Amino acid sequence: QSALTQPASMSGSPGQSITISCTGTRSDVGAYNYVSWYLQYPGKAPKLMIYEVSNRPSGVSNRFSGSKSGNTASLTISGLQAEDEADYYCSSYTSSSTLVFGGGTRLTVL
Amino acid sequence: QVQLHQWGAGLLKPSETLSLTCAVSGGSFSAYYWTWIRQPPGKGLEWIGEINHIGGTNYNPSLKSRVTISIDTSKNQLSLNLTSVTAADTAVYYCVRPFKKYSSTSLDYWGQGTLVTVSS
Repeated sequence: QSALTQPASMSGSPGQSITISCTGTRSDVGAYNYVSWYLQYPGKAPKLMIYEVSNRPSGVSNRFSGSKSGNTASLTISGLQAEDEADYYCSSYTSSSTLVFGGGTRLTVL
Repeated sequence: QVQLHQWGAGLLKPSETLSLTCAVSGGSFSAYYWTWIRQPPGKGLEWIGEINHIGGTNYNPSLKSRVTISIDTSKNQLSLNLTSVTAADTAVYYCVRPFKKYSSTSLDYWGQGTLVTVSS
């Protein structure tokens, strides 16, 4: 199974909005509404931010939102804050009943 | 409060078997698809596989020939065995509980991670 495609790095200024893309295929992202997004700080375990494309677990800021169009899912962070600087990973359920992750996006808040 | 505590050998030689155990406390053990994830240093996340509460397993095809995930419901523990390790298996290994029961598509509670280094 091939990893989902994410931009390696992105940056934004405080207060801005940024959108991280996650591109898969018709066998994963395009086939199911089972895309999740995770935030990971250095040396820490990932944290679930979005599940099933656009749902936020309790406690996750509403500045984080998710969407999907075709084979590409997106994570949008609005009102960028310094604490948002982290690595972000997407994942998707696949037609092989496995889970596949994106390569990760390092977000820098300028 | 759900907690996952994991342990196992952190340094292995090539061809040895990686063995990790994860103990779950503070929540239900049944009806979840317990999952193992790994992350090589400086790299991304990789799904290793999952096991449900009745022992049904599903593995990453790239690791399937070497991996075994098992559970002990009497102890609320799950284990990971990976045989014939090489340097490419050097990674932080996480045990994880999904967000929802009967589904492993989103991963919510993570163990503290165990760095396993394979070196001669």
